[in-house]
Amino acid sequence: EIVLTQSPGTLSLSPGDRATLSCRASQSVSSGFLAWYQQKPGQAPRLLIYGASSRATGIPNRFSGSGSGTDFTLTISRLEPEDFAVYYCQQYGRSPLWAFGQGTKVEIK
Amino acid sequence: QVQLVESGGGVVQPGGSLRVSCAASGFTFSNYGMHWVRQAPGKGLEWVAVIWYDGSNERYADSVKGRFTISRDNSKNTLYLQLNIPRAEDSAVYYCAREAGGPLDYWGQGTLVTVSS
Repeated sequence: EIVLTQSPGTLSLSPGDRATLSCRASQSVSSGFLAWYQQKPGQAPRLLIYGASSRATGIPNRFSGSGSGTDFTLTISRLEPEDFAVYYCQQYGRSPLWAFGQGTKVEIK
Repeated sequence: QVQLVESGGGVVQPGGSLRVSCAASGFTFSNYGMHWVRQAPGKGLEWVAVIWYDGSNERYADSVKGRFTISRDNSKNTLYLQLNIPRAEDSAVYYCAREAGGPLDYWGQGTLVTVSS
């Protein structure tokens, strides 16, 4: 069973900073079937990245995803005030089919 | 535009039952797999269940297998989750989400289920 581990748990940064979030899988993720979601307080999650590196519709290009196999990264090139949120990675395809990481909170320093 | 609206949440007693629903609009519901994902208060996201676009297959998280049942009515554009024998640890906001070949591209706003006597 695949387990996703995100690091760090909390990232304290300032607007304009670069954010680098990590997601490590306990087994290789099939064909880059890795997605990233953003969730703000009181809101539903929003799909940011799928297929490890493809931006979802309407997602600004300051968000980028990379990685393969067991190591994946979400990068926010320059943080905007609206980017402070919790970010989750998710794999799809291997048992338990759809699994989320525990999340990384990006907070204002 | 794509809309997913959950309903049916509330307080349910341990060992009781509850059915939550998700009304879909703005897309051809019968073309998409659909999921339930939950989030306990102050916790992260937990995938719960998926049902294939035509209802031919279902899969569940181990934590709910044998107790919860996902189903759909394509004639009514509605997704369901039947919660049987719920436990306190099943208390959460339950989201329905549309699957786009793997990733979940649209989500509802969620419905809160509280398991308590």
